[in-house]
Amino acid sequence: EFVLTQSPGTLSLSPGERAALSCRASQSMSRSHLAWYQQKPGQAPRLLIYGASTRATGIPDRFSGSGSGTDFTLTITRLEPEDFAVYYCQHFGRSPIAFGGGTTVEIK
Amino acid sequence: EVQLVESEGGVVRPGGSLRLSCAASGFTFDHNGMTWVRQVPGKGLEWVCGISWNGGSEGYADSVKGRFTISRDNAKNSLYLQMNSLRAEDTALYYCARVRGSGWSNYFDTWGRGTLVTVSS
Repeated sequence: EFVLTQSPGTLSLSPGERAALSCRASQSMSRSHLAWYQQKPGQAPRLLIYGASTRATGIPDRFSGSGSGTDFTLTITRLEPEDFAVYYCQHFGRSPIAFGGGTTVEIK
Repeated sequence: EVQLVESEGGVVRPGGSLRLSCAASGFTFDHNGMTWVRQVPGKGLEWVCGISWNGGSEGYADSVKGRFTISRDNAKNSLYLQMNSLRAEDTALYYCARVRGSGWSNYFDTWGRGTLVTVSS
């Protein structure tokens, strides 16, 4: 079974700080099959990053993705108030499609 | 504007059935695969199933295989989820989402607002 493990579960930071969110796969995977989503309370998820590092339309450049193999990272360089949310990674190279458990970025 | 609107969910007894629909607008519906994702309130995302642009290929999570059926009507720009033999653990917010590309396995670039399904006696 293919599993994505996100860490930490919760990240407590202040606006302006840098956030680094980890997504670790149980098996090596293609970078092209990794996406990141943001979800705010009461809202549907929103696509942030696909292909591990390509920003979706309209996503600010403070969001960046990196990684390969089994280790991937979403970085937010300077947290804005609207960035405090839950972030999920997703793998879609094989069935079933898998989501990580999520990382909550909360205001410290 | 690309828009996905799920039908109203509801309360269903265990063992019962429910059909969800998702109305798509603002894009050429038969150019994209489509998918359903669910979320127990306060918990994470769980992929449920997906369907290719013409309905020729489908994929299901093990948790729903044999109980749920995904389908689409391209003439009506609509996606469906037939849920049978519902269990308490199927209680969740169900999202319809557009898949990038014509298949069902890819990232999801547009999401509906979700509809709540509650399975309870």
